[in-house]
Amino acid sequence: GAVVSQHPSWVICKSGTSVKIECRSLDFQATTMFWYRQFPKQSLMLMATSNEGSKATYEQGVEKDKFLINHASLTLSTLTVTSAHPEDSSFYICSANPPGSETQYFGPGTRLLVL
Amino acid sequence: QKEVEQDPGPLSVPEGAIVSLNCTYSNSAFQYFMWYRQYSRKGPELLMYTYSSGNKEDGRFTAQVDKSSKYISLFIRDSQPSDSATYLCAMNNAGNNRKLIWGLGTSLAVNP
Repeated sequence: GAVVSQHPSWVICKSGTSVKIECRSLDFQATTMFWYRQFPKQSLMLMATSNEGSKATYEQGVEKDKFLINHASLTLSTLTVTSAHPEDSSFYICSANPPGSETQYFGPGTRLLVL
Repeated sequence: QKEVEQDPGPLSVPEGAIVSLNCTYSNSAFQYFMWYRQYSRKGPELLMYTYSSGNKEDGRFTAQVDKSSKYISLFIRDSQPSDSATYLCAMNNAGNNRKLIWGLGTSLAVNP
C-alpha cells in the first residue's frame, strides 16, 4: 500500500519560534498533499492543500502567513508554523493521493507542543 | 446541517459482537466513500473504499453504500479489543480537488 511518512513525530518548542514539519510520500509521487490539524477528541480539520510547483490553497480561516507550505518536489511537502504560540499546540497530519486514486493515505502525525 | 453526520458515540460492545457504524450525508454528488480507523495519537488508516452504491467486504469488515438514502455503513464482525479506535467516514465527489468531507468519527471500545 501507499506509505506516507512525517518528521518529526513530536516536537516541543518555545513560544515565538518556528517549527518545520516534513511530509513525504515514500513509494509514490504526489502532485497534491493535504495538511490537517486535529484537536483532542475532534475530527480532522483540513488546513490547506499543497500543490507541487505552485502555491498552496488554504481553507477559510487558516492564516497563510502563519502556516507556510512548500511543496518543492513530487514526494515532499513541508509545513512551517511561524512564530508559534501555545494555541498552535495540536496534532498535525498530512496525507496524499497516489496517482489516479481518490483515497488519501495519511502520515503518522506530528504532535506539536508550544510552551 | 453538516454535510456529513456521524454519531460520535462512544460505542461500547463486548468482544465478538457485530458492530455497526453509520454516516449520513446531504450532498448527492458524493461518489467516493471511505472508512478510516484512527488509534489514539496516530494518523488515520484507510480501512475500506467504495465507489458509488453497493457492498464491499474485506475480512471482518463490510462497507455498504446506499446512495438513494444517502447513508453509508461499516460492519465489523467478530469484534476484537484491537478494534477499539475511532472510526471516521469520509467522502468526496469527482472534481472537488480530492478534498475529503469528514464525519466527526465514532469512538468504539471493544471489551474483552
